[in-house]
Amino acid sequence: ETGVTQSPTHLIKTRGQQVTLRCSSQSGHNTVSWYQQALGQGPQFIFQYYREEENGRGNFPPRFSGLQFPNYSSELNVNALELDDSALYLCASSLLQGAYNEQFFGPGTRLTVL
Amino acid sequence: QKEVEQDPGPLSVPEGAIVSLNCTYSNSAFQYFMWYRQYSRKGPELLMYTYSSGNKEDGRFTAQVDKSSKYISLFIRDSQPSDSATYLCAMSAGAGNMLTFGGGTRLMVKP
Repeated sequence: ETGVTQSPTHLIKTRGQQVTLRCSSQSGHNTVSWYQQALGQGPQFIFQYYREEENGRGNFPPRFSGLQFPNYSSELNVNALELDDSALYLCASSLLQGAYNEQFFGPGTRLTVL
Repeated sequence: QKEVEQDPGPLSVPEGAIVSLNCTYSNSAFQYFMWYRQYSRKGPELLMYTYSSGNKEDGRFTAQVDKSSKYISLFIRDSQPSDSATYLCAMSAGAGNMLTFGGGTRLMVKP
């Protein structure tokens, strides 16, 4: 069984630029969630996609957007980058069914905005 | 005030000690309670989850949830140096809903 993978591992951008981060879900999963983890803090929920539709969103501005593809891989796009966007971006995949749906996290993409 | 509060530590204990990690929360809608372990430069991995109030044991780990006090705990028995990591509590109102995390507690187990 293939786990959750993310690319790239590290990324350096300058303020005002745009960035796209990618996530490949675990085999058989239909849901992907994205989280932002600032240094020394816990992850914060950005949004979730279920079967290619946004299924929930946290307190993040519209310049954070996402996509989920038919093969359930996903992208996180951030426009007009700000210094505070520097963080570890985590995606987590799950199979939305039943009473509890464990989210499996990828290793993250570390974004630095200069 | 954050929705989920967790002491950041660091917590340093000798090998073999019993470790107690705790979180408090304010949202009474939370029904699912989880503990994740995160090693440096890695994504979080699920240790345990509990639905509603009660205790759950898995090997050296015991999770407790007290919804009346809005307080959850994770106990680690016979702690090992390999347990050194950041421990994150997380909660959600629904089974597939967004997770709300605490800030994490850094644990160091010294040989």
